[in-house]
Amino acid sequence: DAGVIQSPRHEVTEMGQEVTLRCKPISGHNSLFWYRQTMMRGLELLIYFNNNVPIDDSGMPEDRFSAKMPNASFSTLKIQPSEPRDSAVYFCASSLGLAAGEQFFGPGTRLTVL
Amino acid sequence: AQSVTQPDIHITVSEGASLELRCNYSYGATPYLFWYVQSPGQGLQLLLKYFSGDTLVQGIKGFEAEFKRSQSSFNLRKPSVHWSDAAEYFCAVGAMAEYGNKLVFGAGTILRVKS
Repeated sequence: DAGVIQSPRHEVTEMGQEVTLRCKPISGHNSLFWYRQTMMRGLELLIYFNNNVPIDDSGMPEDRFSAKMPNASFSTLKIQPSEPRDSAVYFCASSLGLAAGEQFFGPGTRLTVL
Repeated sequence: AQSVTQPDIHITVSEGASLELRCNYSYGATPYLFWYVQSPGQGLQLLLKYFSGDTLVQGIKGFEAEFKRSQSSFNLRKPSVHWSDAAEYFCAVGAMAEYGNKLVFGAGTILRVKS
């Protein structure tokens, strides 16, 4: 089992640029979660999907953030345009949804916006 | 809505000493409770979970946690800490929703181990 895969692991970009983070959940999992972690705000849930459908995006900070899940094995989180305050570690997690509730986390993407 | 409080931001213990990390939750029904550990630069790894049944739950790496409904607590314990346990620990509470589980995490407790 490869676990949750995220790419890139590190991203450095300049303010105003578009950033796309990618996630491949564990095969067979039907819920996918995007989190953001910062020193100031801790671990925040941004959005989650069930069976590829966005269920709750109330954590998405602004319209600059968008997330998609075109199929069961791939999701993206896009920031356009990026700002320095978006600098954080972004985690993707997956779970079996209506089952045990345990979420499996990817290694994260460390985003730095200059 | 559910919430989680981890009262201790930092804890320092000596190697070989016992450890207890506190977690209090707020949720109207029977919660699903989790402890995760995060080493520097890594993602979160599940240590243990409670869904129902025995209120004392055993996890990986020698950790255990006890669910106390009367105190709304789910404290994490380890009888003898190793230097490799230094990390950040997160308690989380989940609830079955119609379309899947949403976890709410506490702010985390950073564990330092001194030799």
